[in-house]
Amino acid sequence: DVKVTQSSRYLVKRTGEKVFLECVQDMDHENMFWYRQDPGLGLRLIYFSYDVKMKEKGDIPEGYSVSREKKERFSLILESASTNQTSMYLCASRRPGQSYEQYFGPGTRLTVT
Amino acid sequence: QKEVEQNSGPLSVPEGAIASLNCTYSDRGSQSFFWYRQYSGKSPELIMSIYSNGDKEDGRFTAQLNKASQYVSLLIRDSQPSDSATYLCAVKVDSSYKLIFGSGTRLLVRP
Repeated sequence: DVKVTQSSRYLVKRTGEKVFLECVQDMDHENMFWYRQDPGLGLRLIYFSYDVKMKEKGDIPEGYSVSREKKERFSLILESASTNQTSMYLCASRRPGQSYEQYFGPGTRLTVT
Repeated sequence: QKEVEQNSGPLSVPEGAIASLNCTYSDRGSQSFFWYRQYSGKSPELIMSIYSNGDKEDGRFTAQLNKASQYVSLLIRDSQPSDSATYLCAVKVDSSYKLIFGSGTRLLVRP
């Protein structure tokens, strides 16, 4: 069974704080993704990773960075949190092979005050 | 800009009816298509994938793909109140592993 976990379901941080969101998958998937989801804007890709230590910018990478030191773990970092980064953050991983199906973790609802 | 378009809804159907959800996409070269269901406050859950023109059935769900017309649809037969959710269409649009998501259609099934 596909299993993607995220470190927190709810998080409240102050403006200017450094924030770490962690995602773990136990399926040996090579590709992992970070999205944010906002009402009316849908799911937007922030960063994705092809493999360990390999990353590529998505559509909205500004204000974010990522780290992938181990295959199972993909971290999203907000260097200096701002109120416009209040959102639902979703991690996904992709099954190997040609299916391109992505499986999502439960999400982290981040509020920056 | 490659796009995936969905009517935001809500689409309201009575219990037991067929719900029809539609999605159009702009990239004619797209090859892989997905439907996700998302309950309020939860993350998206993959329910169907389709790669070839025609219909693909899985239980009460049928995905339909027409590449010439650039649309993909999802039919839900015998709709249940538990099917009330937002349905997201996703399309793989280039040689990378990225998916482009529509903004979703909200479905309400009335008891």
